[in-house]
This record gives sequence, structure tokens and C-alpha cells, in this order.
Amino acid sequence: TQLLEQSPQFLSIQEGENLTVYCNSSSVFSSLQWYRQEPGEGPVLLVTVVTGGEVKKLKRLTFQFGDARKDSSLHITAAQPGDTGLYLCASRDDKIIFGKGTRLHILP
Amino acid sequence: DAGVTQSPTHLIKTRGQQVTLRCSPKSGHDTVSWYQQALGQGPQFIFQYYEEEERQRGNFPDRFSGHQFPNYSSELNVNALLLGDSALYLCASSQPWGVPNYGYTFGSGTRLTVV
Repeated sequence: TQLLEQSPQFLSIQEGENLTVYCNSSSVFSSLQWYRQEPGEGPVLLVTVVTGGEVKKLKRLTFQFGDARKDSSLHITAAQPGDTGLYLCASRDDKIIFGKGTRLHILP
Repeated sequence: DAGVTQSPTHLIKTRGQQVTLRCSPKSGHDTVSWYQQALGQGPQFIFQYYEEEERQRGNFPDRFSGHQFPNYSSELNVNALLLGDSALYLCASSQPWGVPNYGYTFGSGTRLTVV
């Protein structure tokens, strides 16, 4: 079973700062997804990356997939309070396996 | 277009009791997966249903069982509840495997508290 490790586990920063969170796997991802979950809600899909070295941007969020397809990062530029939430990476195959997530808190 | 609907939203049960949680998938989705999310953790895969059969199963005991109906809706049953079963139970629906870039659409979950 593929294991996903996310770091850091918790992150609290001031509004306007930049941040990066990481997702690493014990094996190669067939494809990788990032979700964001807010309190009392289910996770919402942000992006899917498939090709090694792939970079995708979603407004202030930049997602990178490692060349070897064993790691990924999510970079947020100029964080805003609305970015607060649990960020989950997930391995997508015939089922989806999640990491434990990075809990992000943006202070106004 | 309704997304994934789960019921009930909250539930309190006593140890040893049985519980049934329900899920209606998003229109056009035929695969339903169930996850357990303990406080502060990521969702843990319980099982997945497709064509009314359990297709995949995670590392959960047989006390956890499920069912999928012809209209693609699904139920999760948990017998002999333990305090450790207290969690948010998430249902996710998806299109058939192989549809490009498919992801899961999640419901808002059922918060189960076992006392």
C-alpha cells in the first residue's frame, strides 16, 4: 500500500506571506491529486497532476509534480485568510488514498 | 445539479449499537467510496462500490459493511460500535475509472459520536 507523507503537519502564518507544503510517497504515483477541506465539509478537488515535472497554477496556488513522480509540492503566494483549511494530497489509482494533510491557518 | 448527499448529518450512538449511514451520489456518477476521518487526520479508505458490488476494501474489520443499490446510492453499516468508531464518515462519488482526470466529489459527511 502506497504511503503518503505530508509536511509540515501544521502551519500558521501571517496574511500576505508565501508558503510551501509537501507530499512525498514511498513509491511512484500513477497520478496525484490535491484537495482542500474546510471544517464541516468534505474535501474539494483542487488539481490532478499526471506527468513528471508537471506544473499547474490555480490563481495564487502553484502545484509541482516531481520528475520521478514520487513527490509533489503546493506553493501559495500572498496567503489570505480564505486559504485556511486542511490540504490533502492523494494518490489516485482505482481508489484514492490520502495523506494525513497539512492544516494551514492564515492569520489576518 | 445536486452533489453528493449524505444523511444524517450528525448521529449519537451507544457502544455496541449498530448504525446505518446513507449516501446519494452526484448525478452521472456510478461509483461510491466511503472514508472514515478521525479528528485531525486525513480520510481513511473503507471500501468502494461499483455495479452493486464491493470492488475495493481498505484495512477495516468486518463490522464495517456496505451496500449499493441499482440507483447507485449506497449505505454504510457499522455493527457493534466502539468508542473508536467516532469520526466523520465521508461518502465520495466518481465517474467510472478511466474517465480522464476524474476526481472524487465528496459529501459533507456524517459526524458519528459513540458514547
